[in-house]
Amino acid sequence: DIQVTQSPSSLSASVGDRVTITCRASQSISTLLNWYQQKPGTPPKILIYESSTLQSGVPSRFGGSGAGTDFTLTISSLQPEDFATYFCQQSYSNPLTFGPGTKVEIK
Amino acid sequence: EVQLVESGGGLVQPGGSLRLSCAASGFTISNYWMYWVRQAPEKGLVWVSRINSAATITDYADSVKGRFTISRDNAKNMLSLQMNSLRAEDTAVYYCAMYRGPRGFDPWGQGILVTVSS
Repeated sequence: DIQVTQSPSSLSASVGDRVTITCRASQSISTLLNWYQQKPGTPPKILIYESSTLQSGVPSRFGGSGAGTDFTLTISSLQPEDFATYFCQQSYSNPLTFGPGTKVEIK
Repeated sequence: EVQLVESGGGLVQPGGSLRLSCAASGFTISNYWMYWVRQAPEKGLVWVSRINSAATITDYADSVKGRFTISRDNAKNMLSLQMNSLRAEDTAVYYCAMYRGPRGFDPWGQGILVTVSS
């Protein structure tokens, strides 16, 4: 199975900050990496697929990059509605696996 | 509106059974792999089971193999998960989700809580 790790596990940031979250796969997964946002009591919502393609309707302050084993989710200017937990997920091989999540909290 | 709606969760004793259902509306699930993904309290997302569009291929996480059975009815636009011999460690919110391949999981159901406790 492909293991997916994320760092940091949590972070505190202020509105307007630039935030970067990293996801690492245990083997090369090309660009088959997706990012989700989850707020308490709600299901995950896809933000970015195939490493860097923004899902329709997702604000452009969200961006993704990476290939192989190392990937990054960037929020260019953190907004109040962005405080949530972010998960990455690899679509390269079965079983599909998720990262453990990064909780973005208000500083 | 495009949505998946789960039902059938609740409190069950260890060793008991539950059947989860997931009804799709606003779109058809018939061409897609469908998944059940669960999330234990304050934990991450874990794949539980999947089924292909024609219901000819099913797959299960090792932790539920032999106890859970996934099925689908494309005519009714529905997905199901029969859960037997439930254990405390099966306690989680269960989500149904449509898998769009490289485009990931979208949409997701709202989630249904399954609590296994005496």
